Amino acid sequence: SYGLTQPPSVSVAPGKTASITCGGNHIGSQSVHWYQQKPGQAPVVVIYNERDRPSGIPERFSGSTSGNTATLTISRVEAGDEADYYCQVWDSSPDHVIFGGGTKLTVL
Amino acid sequence: EVQLVQSGAEVKKPGESLKISCRTSGYIFSSFWIGWVRQMPGKGLEWMGIIYPGDSDTKYSPSFQGQVTMSVDRSTGTTYLHWSSLKASDSAMYYCARLTYSDSDVNFFDSWGQGTLVTVSS
Repeated sequence: SYGLTQPPSVSVAPGKTASITCGGNHIGSQSVHWYQQKPGQAPVVVIYNERDRPSGIPERFSGSTSGNTATLTISRVEAGDEADYYCQVWDSSPDHVIFGGGTKLTVL
Repeated sequence: EVQLVQSGAEVKKPGESLKISCRTSGYIFSSFWIGWVRQMPGKGLEWMGIIYPGDSDTKYSPSFQGQVTMSVDRSTGTTYLHWSSLKASDSAMYYCARLTYSDSDVNFFDSWGQGTLVTVSS
């Protein structure tokens, strides 16, 4: 079955840029969404529809897609960005939700 | 303000039944799909299914079809997730979440409940 592939972990120094990837064979034709989950908390959407930010999400968070890979980019990383990040798409054959395996972002 | 408030933590024995709830407010309950997501300890997010409160239409993940049942109570704006016979492997955190749904397949969970921890142990 169709799956989304994320790296298990990404590490970045404070103030630098973190890139978290999400690979999938059909991702170029799907709308990709990204969630942030901090320890002990429910997930929160940080990017929807590939590059749109919900209100309240800092401009430091951005999304893009190229070919079969979607990327969540976090600029000027802060300690508070340390969390697990999940990508998600909707597949309509049949209707269902697909989550990536998640990436743990560590701020060094 | 959109809110999803889930019922409290549960400790059950294998073979017992369980129904957990997700009470919504701040929007028109019947107009948005509600989804359930499992997160086993130390693991990622797994989609279980979604239910449309307007007509109780459901879509289940093949992994959870027949294992759980989703339902709604339109009079209270509450969605339920039910197990008829729990297993130890059902121990996990369960989240409900509101699905923003469009005809262009821009479908994502825009609001989440706080989670319900289910522990199944003899």
